[in-house]
Amino acid sequence: AQKVTQAQTEISVVEKEDVTLDCVYETRDTTYYLFWYKQPPSGELVFLIRRNSFDEQNEISGRYSWNFQKSTSSFNFTITASQVVDSAVYFCALAYGGATNKLIFGTGTLLAVQP
Amino acid sequence: GAVVSQHPSWVICKSGTSVKIECRSLDFQATTMFWYRQFPKQSLMLMATSNEGSKATYEQGVEKDKFLINHASLTLSTLTVTSAHPEDSSFYICSARRSGRVLETQYFGPGTRLLVL
Repeated sequence: AQKVTQAQTEISVVEKEDVTLDCVYETRDTTYYLFWYKQPPSGELVFLIRRNSFDEQNEISGRYSWNFQKSTSSFNFTITASQVVDSAVYFCALAYGGATNKLIFGTGTLLAVQP
Repeated sequence: GAVVSQHPSWVICKSGTSVKIECRSLDFQATTMFWYRQFPKQSLMLMATSNEGSKATYEQGVEKDKFLINHASLTLSTLTVTSAHPEDSSFYICSARRSGRVLETQYFGPGTRLLVL
């Protein structure tokens, strides 16, 4: 069965701190995609990154970085020098199922960045 | 690119009425759209997969007669909540995937908040 686990339900940090959001996934598919989405209070999901199962290269985009490790089935997300605008719920998601390409979401991590 | 809109953004209705929510891909064609439901402080749960020109595929436990989905064109899918009741109050979000791309990123609409009184 496919599953995405985000063990951290809420994280609170002070501005400028670094913070890592954990994501562990389960799938028997050999081809799959992993995503991170941000959901600010407005509710709209914002796409952050997509990684396929064959590309374990870590990625950095500005203050955001992602660490994908197949050996531990993890796809962690780090925000460096956090800002108040980073406050949101962050969802990790797994796309599987070939042509159907369904997304299964983790339960989300609420990040609160205090000024 | 890859903008998805939803209308309305907010709807309040009386119990027993039907509510239609539209999902449009504005700058791309989407053979497949997805409908999700999100309760407060919870994750998104896939309700159904909407395919242009064919019947929607519903997830287990989702009543197809209550949540009618129509995907009449490559840019529009609609979700109709029939005979809505207070327990149907939720945040409904659609997403769209570009035509011809199987494992393509899903782009999400801004969501529709439904409150049934």
